[in-house]
Amino acid sequence: QVQLVESGGGVVQPGGSLRLSCTASGFTFTTYGMHWVRQAPGRGLEWVAFILFDGSNEYYVDSVKGRFTISRDNSKNTLYLQMNSLRVDDTAVYYCAKVSDWGPYFDSWGQGALVTVSS
Amino acid sequence: EIVLTQSPATLSLSPGERATLSCRASQSISRYLAWYQQKPGQAPRLLIYDASNRATGIPARFSGSGSGTDFTLTISSLEPEDFAVYYCQQRSSWPLTFGGGTKVEIK
Repeated sequence: QVQLVESGGGVVQPGGSLRLSCTASGFTFTTYGMHWVRQAPGRGLEWVAFILFDGSNEYYVDSVKGRFTISRDNSKNTLYLQMNSLRVDDTAVYYCAKVSDWGPYFDSWGQGALVTVSS
Repeated sequence: EIVLTQSPATLSLSPGERATLSCRASQSISRYLAWYQQKPGQAPRLLIYDASNRATGIPARFSGSGSGTDFTLTISSLEPEDFAVYYCQQRSSWPLTFGGGTKVEIK
């Protein structure tokens, strides 16, 4: 059974940094790409970033390019999202999600980590 | 960026009724569309991928159709647990994008 557990959320001031982690189990982590998706309070879903199974390539939504970095440690079955220069509009629940067997859809999700950017 | 527009924003129906949700893409995405269900306080769940394929464990009352720019999610007979928000998502090109969602609420 696939399990994804996010951690590292919290409250941070504008301009600050935070690193989210997502620990995976129940599947062969080293063979799947992984995503981060976020959801601002009361709003819809927004894809944030994707990393290939071996970490060789990454994609980002324009609004986080140059500020966020997705990475993974396959020896630890862990996905990361380093978030720098945080802004108030980055406030959201951040979900990690596993790529499906049928392409870059999201077939398993974590429970989410709340990031609040506020002064 | 491909924009997905979902309609209606809210659908008020009774259990047992048929629900028809629409998702329109700003340009052709072939059949590269998925549908997700999200209940309050929960993560989304994948229902349909590649426009019409049910994901593992999804009941047969959920079906998807469409190609190009126009897509439909149909719930043939609403069960109490189906009242939720539904999102479409395209994987045709980066950045991956979602529609704004359709809330299916109890009438």
